[in-house]
Amino acid sequence: AQTVTQSQPEMSVQEAETVTLSCTYDTSESNYYLFWYKQPPSRQMILVIRQEAYKQQNATENRFSVNFQKAAKSFSLKISDSQLGDTAMYFCAFMSPYSGNTGKLIFGQGTTLQVKP
Amino acid sequence: ETGVTQTPRHLVMGMTNKKSLKCEQHLGHNAMYWYKQSAKKPLELMFVYNFKEQTENNSVPSRFSPECPNSSHLFLHLHTLQPEDSALYLCASSQEDSRSGANVLTFGAGSRLTVL
Repeated sequence: AQTVTQSQPEMSVQEAETVTLSCTYDTSESNYYLFWYKQPPSRQMILVIRQEAYKQQNATENRFSVNFQKAAKSFSLKISDSQLGDTAMYFCAFMSPYSGNTGKLIFGQGTTLQVKP
Repeated sequence: ETGVTQTPRHLVMGMTNKKSLKCEQHLGHNAMYWYKQSAKKPLELMFVYNFKEQTENNSVPSRFSPECPNSSHLFLHLHTLQPEDSALYLCASSQEDSRSGANVLTFGAGSRLTVL
């Protein structure tokens, strides 16, 4: 069974600085999808970035980028130029393409990020 | 407009009550989901509906009963719940991405349930 582990329950960063959130996962599959979701105090789970495992190039979305290390089964999220609005809980998630259309996301435990002014 | 709307945002109920959670998506997606988010556990998938048909029931107790009358609406009927069922219940919808094949889920803001 697939598992996702986020080993940092809480992190903080000063505004405008860079922070990296860690995520490791375990799977025997060679093709899959990885996601980072953000959940601010409003509770709305928002997609931050996604990565297809068959793509070697790391995904980027504006200030958000990932470091995808397939052999190490690592998928970290880097937030550059942190803003107060980035304060949220961040979830790493795994999806197998073999689950068809079930959309079965396997989530990590989450990392609470506090951006300080 | 978030795309996925959940009501009520907060619900307090006794163990003998019957209540329902409602989810509506305005995105034209063909799949809808219920996830449970407890305080100290990762998010757990409960139910999946594709084109109104239930395709997954993740060993959820029968005191939770889903209903999907059409592709835009999803309900979770609650009956004789236990205090340990108190959690945030998140609804999501998705459409398979034709470029990558991934199902990208869009979530609602959740219904916070407290069972007394």
